[in-house]
Amino acid sequence: GAVVSQHPSRVICKSGTSVKIECRSLDFQATTMFWYRQFPKQSLMLMATSNEGSKATYEQGVEKDKFLINHASLTLSTLTVTSAHPEDSSFYICSARDRRQPTLAKNIQYFGAGTRLSVL
Amino acid sequence: KNQVEQSPQSLIILEGKNCTLQCNYTVSPFSNLRWYKQDTGRGPVSLTIMTFSENTKSNGRYTATLDADTKQSSLHITASQLSDSASYICVVTPLMTTDSWGKLQFGAGTQVVVTP
Repeated sequence: GAVVSQHPSRVICKSGTSVKIECRSLDFQATTMFWYRQFPKQSLMLMATSNEGSKATYEQGVEKDKFLINHASLTLSTLTVTSAHPEDSSFYICSARDRRQPTLAKNIQYFGAGTRLSVL
Repeated sequence: KNQVEQSPQSLIILEGKNCTLQCNYTVSPFSNLRWYKQDTGRGPVSLTIMTFSENTKSNGRYTATLDADTKQSSLHITASQLSDSASYICVVTPLMTTDSWGKLQFGAGTQVVVTP
């Protein structure tokens, strides 16, 4: 149980194009999903918290117009990197929190397999 | 400053040998501490989770310990296998006083390479 599917696993695109990454919770409903970015040999850095049916909450320094997040259903959140540039090349990972968790304190998140974005 | 520090940054061990990874944190109070395994180009996979009242937790050949007084945790890998080659990440969840969740605090990871 608690499987999070992330697609695509790898994408290569030209500078200036937009890229959409999907994150799906396969066997549970997720009212909250999280988007992280990870640079080589560094920690996962939280970019934004995605709440179903409402606007995402972005971390300081993350451009909301650059990284568009949509969480239209309880099982799907998407991250769109708009007008991607080489500096956006990174490993993007989503995670999802099961809405059935009895308390928020534990904040158990299930991670997707990640998407490697390379912008030429 | 990162609230979760891991050491060593990387290590190389021979197949069949044991190794121990360290995690020091300053997050306080905290709800739980988790160890994840992250294969190259993949997302993190949970190995163990411990609350502040637990001292040890095992998952097969992986054993995690926690000393909440010294704010230290370790992950011990027994009889290492080639498939253990990965990055191991220590993650601490702050304890919130309100009905909300604490932002996960990630360590930078320890890169383990198991050689034949």
